Amino acid sequence: GAVVSQHPSRVICKSGTSVKIECRSLDFQATTMFWYRQFPKKSLMLMATSNEGSKATYEQGVEKDKFLINHASLTLSTLTVTSAHPEDSSFYICSAPSTSGIKNIQYFGAGTRLSVL
Amino acid sequence: AQSVTQLGSHVSVSEGALVLLRCNYSSSVPPYLFWYVQYPNQGLQLLLKYTTGATLVKGINGFEAEFKKSETSFHLTKPSAHMSDAAEYFCAVSETGGYNKLIFGAGTRLAVHP
Repeated sequence: GAVVSQHPSRVICKSGTSVKIECRSLDFQATTMFWYRQFPKKSLMLMATSNEGSKATYEQGVEKDKFLINHASLTLSTLTVTSAHPEDSSFYICSAPSTSGIKNIQYFGAGTRLSVL
Repeated sequence: AQSVTQLGSHVSVSEGALVLLRCNYSSSVPPYLFWYVQYPNQGLQLLLKYTTGATLVKGINGFEAEFKKSETSFHLTKPSAHMSDAAEYFCAVSETGGYNKLIFGAGTRLAVHP
């Protein structure tokens, strides 16, 4: 099946620094990718839809200047948490929808656990 | 707007017992429905999905779910629980067609004890 790779799997940073998370579709092209945030013991909250070659679409309440999304190619989307603070600590997961074979399927990355000290 | 309600944040069963995880949805259009499983510190793995056609869908690891439009439900079942089934399970809904975003339920943590 299709594979979505997310890197890094875990990152610890100091407050005030910026952190970049990469999401790659390894064996298929993804014009659209999704970024989710998951709080401890909570469900996934959609943050934004990443669109290749155009601006991301953010969900209500998500700060676009805080969470910068760049979808520079058909296989790569990046989420940058700018000036991270402890409240940004969370599990971030990306997904990409299938473009062939079994349709209407989203493939998820393994997630990135961000800890801001 | 679409929404998903998963009844029971925690479910505990004995190994070999029936697993039943409940999911009800709300959608103004015919929905696509999904069940995903998440193991600790990992992403989500698709168990099964309903789009159109047969309302009883079978997935991986012996799981199945039945779409009941009249009850707006998509409950997940497995006849006999295995220790390896212990995980977090998420029900999700999306609009029909395209590659639309998923709306997730709050999740149900399944514990399986000997």
